[in-house]
Amino acid sequence: DIQMTQSPSSLSASVGDRVTITCRSSQSITNYLSWYQQKPGKAPELLIYAASSLHSGVPSRFSGSGSGTHFTLTISSLQPEDFATYYCQQGATFGGGTRVEIK
Amino acid sequence: EVQLVESGGGLVQPGGSLRLTCSASGFTFTTYAMHWIRQAPGKGLEYVSAISSNGRITYYADSVRGRFTISRDNSKNTVSLEMNSLRAGDTAVYYCVKDLGGPAGWQYYFDSWGQGTLVTVSS
Repeated sequence: DIQMTQSPSSLSASVGDRVTITCRSSQSITNYLSWYQQKPGKAPELLIYAASSLHSGVPSRFSGSGSGTHFTLTISSLQPEDFATYYCQQGATFGGGTRVEIK
Repeated sequence: EVQLVESGGGLVQPGGSLRLTCSASGFTFTTYAMHWIRQAPGKGLEYVSAISSNGRITYYADSVRGRFTISRDNSKNTVSLEMNSLRAGDTAVYYCVKDLGGPAGWQYYFDSWGQGTLVTVSS
């Protein structure tokens, strides 16, 4: 089974900061990777699919990159509404999540 | 607007059964694969099961295979998850999720989620 490892597990950042979250797979998954944002008490929301395609309605400050086994989610300028937990996912496997907190 | 509304959650004793149902609207239900994903309290996301658009192909995580059964009724725009032999480890919020779909069909990209229904397995 493919394992998905996210890092860091949590981070503290300020509004306006550039934030990067990493996801690594245990074997090559080409570009079959997506990213989700989840706020407390809410269902997750799709941000990025196919590693770098921005889902409809998602702000352009979110971007995804990578292929093979190494992927990143970047928030170019962190906004107050971006404080949440982020998950990467490939097939039936999710990463452990990255909690983005206010510094 | 896509809407997915789960129902059927609740408290059940270990070894018991429960049936979750998801009612879908706002999209052409018959052309999309559907999934169930769960989240234990304070934990991350765990994939549970999936069913193809025509209901002929199903998939189950190892943790639920043989105990859970996914089905769909395309005439009623519903997808269900029959859960048997429930364990404490099955306690979670269960989300009904729509596949992004497209020309490639079942893609494992989850573009719409329900609000979730809580299943608690406890004596």
